[in-house]
Amino acid sequence: DVKVTQSSRYLVKRTGEKVFLECVQDMDHENMFWYRQDPGLGLRLIYFSYDVKMKEKGDIPEGYSVSREKKERFSLILESASTNQTSMYLCATNRRAPGTEAFFGQGTRLTVV
Amino acid sequence: AQSVSQHNHHVILSEAASLELGCNYSYGGTVNLFWYVQYPGQHLQLLLKYFSGDPLVKGIKGFEAEFIKSKFSFNLRKPSVQWSDTAEYFCAVNLYNTDKLIFGTGTRLQVFP
Repeated sequence: DVKVTQSSRYLVKRTGEKVFLECVQDMDHENMFWYRQDPGLGLRLIYFSYDVKMKEKGDIPEGYSVSREKKERFSLILESASTNQTSMYLCATNRRAPGTEAFFGQGTRLTVV
Repeated sequence: AQSVSQHNHHVILSEAASLELGCNYSYGGTVNLFWYVQYPGQHLQLLLKYFSGDPLVKGIKGFEAEFIKSKFSFNLRKPSVQWSDTAEYFCAVNLYNTDKLIFGTGTRLQVFP
């Protein structure tokens, strides 16, 4: 079974703090994704990566950056957290081939106060 | 920009009723199409997918979806819903020549006994 592990289930941070969300997968998948999930807005793609050190912006990259130094680990960074970044963050991974299934982590519920 | 539309935001049904959830995408090229489900408190998981071949796709738990290329649609159906189908359902599109996976806004389904 594919395992996608997000480092924290719940996180509370203060406005202006630098926040790191970590995601680790154990299936040697090339692609990794970060989404945020908000009620009524569905899943919105923040960034994705198709290889080590490679990244592409998704639909809402502003205020976020990412890092992929190793194939199994994909980090989402909030450079200066703001209250409008309070959300559920989901990591996903899949093989780099057409039509392959994406596997999701349990999510990190981030609250910025 | 490519997008995925789910017009039904919240659907309420009684057990044994039939279900159809709409999904439309805006991309003229080759696509792979997916339906994911998120049961309360659980991570997203794949319900079914269309990659190629027969446009009528069968998934887990009695769900099916039909890809109609001329209508850019991939509607999800189930002839008779159960209380355990209560969940949020997401349509997703993977553009064939990219790694990008785009989700719709989701449909919350509530099934009452």
